[in-house]
Order: sequence, then structure tokens, then C-alpha cells
Amino acid sequence: AQSVTQLDSQVPVFEEAPVELRCNYSSSVSVYLFWYVQYPNQGLQLLLKYLSGSTLVKGINGFEAEFNKSQTSFHLRKPSVHISDTAEYFCAVSDRGRGAQKLVFGQGTRLTINP
Amino acid sequence: EADIYQTPRYLVIGTGKKITLECSQTMGHDKMYWYQQDPGMELHLIHYSYGVNSTEKGDLSSESTVSRIRTEHFPLTLESARPSHTSQYLCASSEYAGPGELFFGEGSRLTVL
Repeated sequence: AQSVTQLDSQVPVFEEAPVELRCNYSSSVSVYLFWYVQYPNQGLQLLLKYLSGSTLVKGINGFEAEFNKSQTSFHLRKPSVHISDTAEYFCAVSDRGRGAQKLVFGQGTRLTINP
Repeated sequence: EADIYQTPRYLVIGTGKKITLECSQTMGHDKMYWYQQDPGMELHLIHYSYGVNSTEKGDLSSESTVSRIRTEHFPLTLESARPSHTSQYLCASSEYAGPGELFFGEGSRLTVL
């Protein structure tokens, strides 16, 4: 069974500062990896995904993530954050087999941007 | 832009009432899901469906039930609500093939008094 650990429940940063949200996963099989963002009072939307190929994945709104198989990590980064990035961010994993559409989510990281 | 809708967005009801949370999508997606979300906790899959007349229980045990009579509609029902059912319920859908993107509704926040 897969599991996802988001190491920080809350991350406060100043506007225009860089940010990294950490995600580690455990799985006995090869996986697909995702980051979703949830703005206040809205549903989740896909930020980026890693399926195969280059381990550095670029997503929307200037975010990127790097898949590190040896460390079973998929950390999310942005070089310069904006107030509008304030949201909750969820890391998710699915296996590459028949369960490819069943995502297992982490507990979320609340990103707060201070002016 | 995703076209998946949940109603009601907010519901406050008394213990013992029967409730149905509605979820509809206009994208023709075969797969639909219900997740339960509590503050500071991971989303838990409680039900999913791979098509009409197909429903499965998810990883988290739930007293709710679902049905899938039409492709676009995936309602969730609680026959007798209890305070322990207080939570946010998120509906999602995806295309059939491959590890695709899940499209989420805005959620239904249920409070049982």
C-alpha cells in the first residue's frame, strides 16, 4: 500500500521569497506523482504531475517539482511566491498498475504568504 | 475549466436525518470518486465508480452509500446522519484511460448536530 507524508503542515513565507514544500512517499511499486492546490472555498486542481521521463516537472503558476527515486521524494518549489499562492497544497501518489486512477493523498501543507 | 458540480455546498442537519449529496459532471468521464476531507488530514477515498452500475468502496470505511445510474451523476447518501459524519465531502472525476488528472468539485461541507 502506498502512503504520502508531507513534512510540514504549515509554511509561512514572505512575498517574493522562494519556497519548498516537501513530500515523501512510500510504495512497493513504481508510481505516478501529483501535486494539487486548493484555494480557499474551492476544490482541488492539478498543479503538476510526474508520469515518466525527466525528473524535473514544470507546472502551472511557476511551480516545479523534482522526482527523486532514491529518496522517494517529490518536493514542490517556486523561486518567488506571490500573495495569490496562499493555498493548501496536497501531494498525491498512485501506482502504475490497475490502481493508477486511485490517488492516495498527503495531509496537505498550508502555504501562507506574508507581504 | 472543469465542469463538475456539487450540491449543496453547505448543509447543517440534525442527527438521524437522511441526506444525499449530489455530484454531476458534464465532461463525459467514466470514473468518479468521493473523498472525505477533514482539516489537517489527508483526503480519504470513500467510494469510486468506473462506469454506470459500477461502484466500489474506497480505502476508508464509510457508512455512506453511492449509486451510478447515469454517467454524469454520482450521488452519495447517508441514511441516518450522525455527528461523526461531520466533514467535507469532495467529488471528483477522470477520464478512463491512464493516470489522468482528477477534476474536483468545490465540495459539500456537512455539519451534523
